[in-house]
Formats: sequence, structure tokens, C-alpha cells
Amino acid sequence: DTGVSQDPRHKITKRGQNVTFRCDPISEHNRLYWYRQTLGQGPEFLTYFQNEAQLEKSRLLSDRFSAERPKGSFSTLEIQRTEQGDSAMYLCASSLVGGRYTEAFFGQGTRLTVV
Amino acid sequence: DQQVKQNSPSLSVQEGRISILNCDYTNSMFDYFLWYKKYPAEGPTFLISISSIKDKNEDGRFTVFLNKSAKHLSLHIVPSQPGDSAVYFCAASGGGQNFVFGPGTRLSVLP
Repeated sequence: DTGVSQDPRHKITKRGQNVTFRCDPISEHNRLYWYRQTLGQGPEFLTYFQNEAQLEKSRLLSDRFSAERPKGSFSTLEIQRTEQGDSAMYLCASSLVGGRYTEAFFGQGTRLTVV
Repeated sequence: DQQVKQNSPSLSVQEGRISILNCDYTNSMFDYFLWYKKYPAEGPTFLISISSIKDKNEDGRFTVFLNKSAKHLSLHIVPSQPGDSAVYFCAASGGGQNFVFGPGTRLSVLP
């Protein structure tokens, strides 16, 4: 399978705990995105990387959230001191940016439940 | 402030008929538009896209129309099949930056 891979698929955690999610993009893709989706809403942008550089962060990404993409390959998204409002589907996507227009391909997501 | 709007939360269509899903946007800097389909417990799947230099793009049963003056795009599915039942998201980007998604329209294709 050469698509975008996310791990874990599901995570249940207690409020106040830290969680970390991993995303492996399509191998030749240079751009990687993180989105969050809650019930009844479309995906909301969190951040994106071009290779290893984090180029944009949404104001949704509070200081409890941090994302990394060491060496421009896989990426991790960490949430510290989780809150019940963090419960959502966390989606990773990747794209190959060369020209101006390019679509992003999504992984299956990590569903986080904070209890 | 929702920059991408899908005003119909749901749509039901008979199998074999045309499905038309609509999307409106407010940001005139958007120059690339995409449609994604999403099944439950899966990530969105890319369907079709269109750049602002075109007004129509077709791929098999799927056609996207763009009306820049009205800041409106639509996705036509002809003929509709039961397997098309899913949530459809409209997305837009400007200047090659991140994608902004609408809230989605749930399409049900009835046999």
C-alpha cells in the first residue's frame, strides 16, 4: 500500500495525558498537512510542512499542540495535557508540489477520544 | 467566517439520475478547487479538481463547473449509483497554500 498511513487509527486517553500521532506520507510527496475534523464539520487546517520546514500554523494550533517532520519524511503531531474538546478525527494528507495546482491525498485518520 | 460554504447538508437522488452538489466561496484569492468524497471511518478521497482558468472539468461520471463571477462551483454526477452515497466536501486553495474545506453534503443515492 503506497498511500498515506496514519498510526494509531484510534486512541482513547484520559484528560490531561499527552498523545502522539504519526503520519507516513506518500514517499515522493514533499508537502504534508495536518487537519482536524469534528462531527458534522469539514476538515479544519492545523499546519503544513514543505519538506522539513513548517510553513504555516493555524490559530487552532494552540501551544499544547506541536508537530514535527524530521528529515522531511514522516510527521508526528503531539497534543499535551489533552482536553475533552480535543476529541476529533486527526487527518494527515500529503501532496507533491511542483507547479501551482496539486491535490492532497489523505490518510484514514486517527480518531482521538478524550475521556 | 466560513470561506467555503455548502448550504445543503444532505441530498437524496434516485439511482440513475443526476446528482448536483453545490459550493460557494467568499475568498477571491482562491484559484484552485477540489471535491473530495468521504465514507464513514475513512479519510477523504480526492475526486476531481478545477483551476480558475477553466470553467469545466470532466472525469467519467463526474463533472465540476466553476462560475468565478458568482464564486460558485458545482459537482455533477451522472448517472448516480448507490456506491456514490457518501459525504462530499468542496475545498479551495489560493496561491498553492493550504486547502479550506466546506462543511460537506451527505449524498444518498436510492436504489
